[in-house]
Amino acid sequence: NAGVTQTPKFQVLKTGQSMTLQCAQDMNHEYMSWYRQDPGMGLRLIHYSVGAGITDQGEVPNGYNVSRSTTEDFPLRLLSAAPSQTSVYFCASRSTVQSNQPQHFGDGTRLSIL
Amino acid sequence: AQKITQTQPGMFVQEKEAVTLDCTYDTSDPSYGLFWYKQPSSGEMIFLIYQGSYDQQNATEGRYSLNFQKARKSANLVISASQLGDSAMYFCAMRQGGGAQKLVFGQGTRLTINP
Repeated sequence: NAGVTQTPKFQVLKTGQSMTLQCAQDMNHEYMSWYRQDPGMGLRLIHYSVGAGITDQGEVPNGYNVSRSTTEDFPLRLLSAAPSQTSVYFCASRSTVQSNQPQHFGDGTRLSIL
Repeated sequence: AQKITQTQPGMFVQEKEAVTLDCTYDTSDPSYGLFWYKQPSSGEMIFLIYQGSYDQQNATEGRYSLNFQKARKSANLVISASQLGDSAMYFCAMRQGGGAQKLVFGQGTRLTINP
């Protein structure tokens, strides 16, 4: 009963490095999204996808890329890491069949940029 | 644009007391959904309760209930008979209707239950 799986759980990068945060779900959910959580600011939407091959920007997309080649996977790429991207990143998915379905979250990736 | 406001950064409550966490929202869309999530110190996001804008009754899930006042645009979470394990961050979130289905979160309220 995996749900939403995020890897890695922790990562330290140097400024300018690139990396990919992985997200996979096994619930056949159409909708997937990435959030970042900074202290005192709640969760903010970075990018989202309503299905394979379809992605769109959220509230804070700059510095991040996403792709959705399969229903299961939704990786988040940091192109050139900056200290301002130090945060906790959450991936989430939900079924779009019914409007009352909540988003299921992964356990998060804690990312530090030095 | 939709917006969620949680005005209580922190709350302290005695064990077994009821507690109300405030949430107000702003949207011009008649179709929307309101969610509450709990985030314990371990960091995961746990879904608690949902209220749809067209629901006639306030939502309830065990010890959790939602005091939905549509005209005032408020969706307060009520936890009855609080327990030590209820200590956590609590987030209110809103999703508007339509195809985008984006979720917007409030800043959260840190609830501490004292023994």
